[in-house]
Amino acid sequence: EIVLTQSPGTLSLSPGERATLSCRASQSVRSNYLAWYQQRPGQAPRLLFYGASSRAAGIPDRFSGSGSGTDFTLTIRTLEPEDFAVYYCQQYGDSPGTFGQGTKVEIK
Amino acid sequence: QVQLVESGGGVVQPGTSLRLSCAASGFTFSNNAFHWVRQAPGKGPEWVAVISYDGSDKYYADAVKGRVTISRDNSKNTMYLQLNSLRAEDTAVYYCARAPYPGSATYYFDYWGQGTLVTVSS
Repeated sequence: EIVLTQSPGTLSLSPGERATLSCRASQSVRSNYLAWYQQRPGQAPRLLFYGASSRAAGIPDRFSGSGSGTDFTLTIRTLEPEDFAVYYCQQYGDSPGTFGQGTKVEIK
Repeated sequence: QVQLVESGGGVVQPGTSLRLSCAASGFTFSNNAFHWVRQAPGKGPEWVAVISYDGSDKYYADAVKGRVTISRDNSKNTMYLQLNSLRAEDTAVYYCARAPYPGSATYYFDYWGQGTLVTVSS
């Protein structure tokens, strides 16, 4: 199965700053079938992107997804207070679908 | 609006069984495949099982194969997960998650429930 490695494990930033999160796959993700989710404390994950860069309904445009093959990036252009959370990537190009271990974006 | 509500979790002893339910509302339940995804404390999510829109196709993660059965009742807009021979490593929050697709293929999840906690401990 494909192993996804997210970095950094924790990102300490201030509101208004830019966040760049990385997700690296152990092998190429078919058709760039990669999704990103946001999980706030005590809540279920929320879909942000699918197909690496297609924004889900209702997701603000300060979020962007990019990448292909084995390297993918989630960027938050200007952090808002509600963006401090844990972010997971998931590949669904190969069975079984697998998730990364997460990147926590915390307030500095 | 789309709503998924899980129930049935609890504290159980190793070797026992539990049935989880996921009640759906706000959309046509029979149009979508559904998955169970679990998340152990402090860990990333882990896919568990999938059932196609009509219940004809079901697949399981190797970690639970032979101990778990997924099912659905489209007349009740409800999905189920029967967990047998539970182990300590099955301790997790179990989420039901909707795929924006009717088939059982590996997919992303556009809606998740709030989860139900299963704790396996003696």
